[in-house]
Amino acid sequence: NFMLTQPHSVSESPGKTVTISCTRSSGSIDNNFVQWCQQRPGSSPTIVIYEDSQRPSGVPDRFSGSIDSSSNSASLTISGLRTEDEADYYCQSFDSNYHWVFGGGTKVTVL
Amino acid sequence: QVQLVQSGAEVKKPGASVRVSCKASGYTFTGYYIHWVRQAPGQGLQWVGRLHPNIGDTDYAQSFQGRVTLTRDTSITTAYMELSGLRSDDTAVYYCATIHDNGDYDDYWGQGTLVTVSS
Repeated sequence: NFMLTQPHSVSESPGKTVTISCTRSSGSIDNNFVQWCQQRPGSSPTIVIYEDSQRPSGVPDRFSGSIDSSSNSASLTISGLRTEDEADYYCQSFDSNYHWVFGGGTKVTVL
Repeated sequence: QVQLVQSGAEVKKPGASVRVSCKASGYTFTGYYIHWVRQAPGQGLQWVGRLHPNIGDTDYAQSFQGRVTLTRDTSITTAYMELSGLRSDDTAVYYCATIHDNGDYDDYWGQGTLVTVSS
């Protein structure tokens, strides 16, 4: 099976842009869709990006997702950073049996 | 509105079993998978398995094979996760979740159930 590797933490000031990477260890990142979950402290997760780059209704367009085949990675970009964006973010994809595989999570701190 | 309401916190001894319930409302229970995800204290998310309530079909993460059983009672729109042979490293918050992708994409999660395994 493969692993999804994320940076442990990122931090930036309000109004700035942060990008979180998610690198797949084996197999192509294109093989299966990537989702991104946001988990605020003390809350259940919620999906902010699905199918690599799609936003569920209600998720601000400050959130965007992309795939880079050359680096075999997915990225979540949050622009116009706000204090409410401070949370843990997890990438998630599927293995060959459509089992969910999560990255280790990235803590986003808004300075 | 769609809701998933889970049962309350549990404290169990090593070797025991625990059953967590997930009561669904506000949608057609038999139409969508229920997934179970756990999160150990201070750790990341780990997928446990999924159940399709219509036919009861299940699929489990390899690391839980043989210890976890997902079931449902369609008459009360409730899904269950039973984990046996509990160890201290099973201490975690267990979440149920359902994804509805019918053109619009919506995910719904339970509030989580803390299972503590301690002698």
